[in-house]
Amino acid sequence: DAEITQSPRHKITETGRQVTLACHQTWNHNNMFWYRQDLGHGLRLIHYSYGVHDTNKGEVSDGYSVSRSNTEDLPLTLESAASSQTSVYFCASSEQHAGADTQYFGPGTRLTVL
Amino acid sequence: KNQVEQSPQSLIILEGKNCTLQCNYTVSPFSNLRWYKQDTGRGPVSLTIMTFSENTKSNGRYTATLDADTKQSSLHITASQLSDSASYICVVRGGGGGFKTIFGAGTRLFVKA
Repeated sequence: DAEITQSPRHKITETGRQVTLACHQTWNHNNMFWYRQDLGHGLRLIHYSYGVHDTNKGEVSDGYSVSRSNTEDLPLTLESAASSQTSVYFCASSEQHAGADTQYFGPGTRLTVL
Repeated sequence: KNQVEQSPQSLIILEGKNCTLQCNYTVSPFSNLRWYKQDTGRGPVSLTIMTFSENTKSNGRYTATLDADTKQSSLHITASQLSDSASYICVVRGGGGGFKTIFGAGTRLFVKA
């Protein structure tokens, strides 16, 4: 069955370190997204991609970067982790057609920055 | 500003009872509205989607309504079960160009035996 996976599921790191969160989907979806989820807030979009070599900034992109070298993967990199980036991170993917694009979410990565 | 507001923030009900969750939005132009269910420690899963012309959509014991004129939606859960304990997230997609999908903060539902 097609799925979307994230790794690691839990990560503890120190301030200033570079961290990469992996996202892999086997739906063959063109669209992929990274969100963060914090208490009291809805999911907030960090970056998104509509296809290979395409990346776009979301509403909370500062301090994060992504690259899309193939259809299946969209890794999220925190260049220099900050305590404010402690959060739960969700990756999602959806089909090409934007009109009724159900997003399929991964299980999430809980990141703690000390 | 495009916003999605959900109420209540949290809700406790007894197993077998019905409940209704509310979603008000200001997203314009409007494309569609979804309700997602998010179990603890999991990613959200889509329950229903409604476009401008639809005002009711059911998925088992879940029934969503949409009033595009007043920009309000509700999710009604019938005969609640313990497994309904989760967060329910209202998500509105805007029309026009660019990526404009706004997530509500969710309603946390607790179903007690």
